[in-house]
Amino acid sequence: AQSVTQPDIHITVSEGASLELRCNYSYGATPYLFWYVQSPGQGLQLLLKYFSGDTLVQGIKGFEAEFKRSQSSFNLRKPSVHWSDAAEYFCAILSNFGNEKLTFGTGTRLTIIP
Amino acid sequence: ETGVTQSPTHLIKTRGQQVTLRCSSQSGHNTVSWYQQALGQGPQFIFQYYREEENGRGNFPPRFSGLQFPNYSSELNVNALELDDSALYLCASSNTAGAWEQYFGPGTRLTVT
Repeated sequence: AQSVTQPDIHITVSEGASLELRCNYSYGATPYLFWYVQSPGQGLQLLLKYFSGDTLVQGIKGFEAEFKRSQSSFNLRKPSVHWSDAAEYFCAILSNFGNEKLTFGTGTRLTIIP
Repeated sequence: ETGVTQSPTHLIKTRGQQVTLRCSSQSGHNTVSWYQQALGQGPQFIFQYYREEENGRGNFPPRFSGLQFPNYSSELNVNALELDDSALYLCASSNTAGAWEQYFGPGTRLTVT
């Protein structure tokens, strides 16, 4: 069965600093990977996705992620964070056994300090 | 284009009661998935409906049931509510042509007392 691990429960970053959120996955085939963001009391918004091809994918709001098969990782990065980036971030993997369910990690809460 | 909507926004129920949550999928989408998100956790897959049929189920007991209607809107029903059912319930819709992208609604916050 597939699984996703987000090792960092909470990260604090200064505004303007760079950001990297870690995601490791376990899956027997080529994974379909996603990053979602959730603001307090809100639903999930898709930041970016990886299906195949170029291992560096660009998303919305200036985020990017790099797929590394050898490390089973799909880390999210942003060169310079803004106060509005404070939120919960979820990495997810899609199973394609006919019902396309998403399996999520436990999330990383991002706090931005001035 | 209308996004995914859910109702109600918040709900308080008593243990043992039954609840129905509703979801309207995004225009053009024929697949609806439901997720439960407990406080401080990632969403957990409950089940998916495709063209009014259940199309996969997660590790949830039978008291969690659902429906999908001809207009592709959906309901999640939970019987015999337990305290642990308190969570944010998220609905996501997708189109089978691009079913890998699921679009989430804002969720329904259920509190069981």
